[in-house]
Amino acid sequence: QSVLTQPPSVSGAPGQRVTISCTGSSSNIGAGYDVHWYQQLPGTAPKLLIYGNSNRPSGVPDRFSGSKSGTSASLAITGLQAEDEADYYCQSSDSSLTGYVFGTGTKVTVL
Amino acid sequence: EVQLVESGGGLVQPGGSLRLSCAASGFTFSSYWMIWVRQAPGKGLEWVANIKQDGSEKYYVDSVKGRFTISRDNAKNSLYLQMNSLRAEDTAVYYCARARSGYNSAWYSKIFDYWGQGTLVTVSS
Repeated sequence: QSVLTQPPSVSGAPGQRVTISCTGSSSNIGAGYDVHWYQQLPGTAPKLLIYGNSNRPSGVPDRFSGSKSGTSASLAITGLQAEDEADYYCQSSDSSLTGYVFGTGTKVTVL
Repeated sequence: EVQLVESGGGLVQPGGSLRLSCAASGFTFSSYWMIWVRQAPGKGLEWVANIKQDGSEKYYVDSVKGRFTISRDNAKNSLYLQMNSLRAEDTAVYYCARARSGYNSAWYSKIFDYWGQGTLVTVSS
């Protein structure tokens, strides 16, 4: 029951910048809850990429950045690299569920 | 090193039951909320259930309420998911994850910072 909407796919050439949007509502992102982002490489478990809207865990390259405004958030990848090919998911909390919601997921392709 | 290892998945008939386990190591298990997340084949991530450090608070996605039960044994550093009345739509890889607190300790301020490798549950006749 994804209630956070992401574009199904984005693509870019190596070195380019791509952005992924994550659109929610007043019961999740718009309610002030933090947004987190996860990267899922093919055949592996998700990995925390961005937490608290814009913070990077130790070891995550600074090519990845996050932001949030109103009922939306976005993830930017600058200097796109082949190893960035993966699925990306945003995630927030939702007061109507008393639980968590994930985005629909975005596949990033490096051309 | 934080490690989460799920087990217990497999093939089960509709209406059947299965109990998933998640063995935790490398951190103080009793200090963290824990969560189960699932991913149907070729689909996105879906939160299933989460549990407070002492088990006093549990939350479930509507689709599993009354059928699934999340529990934990802090003495054994283990998280569980008892799944009853399974349906075809429960077919998925089930991940356990550690839920670290964000800006406060409330249920809504959690960051899923470590994940297990997942265990596949297939519900089919």
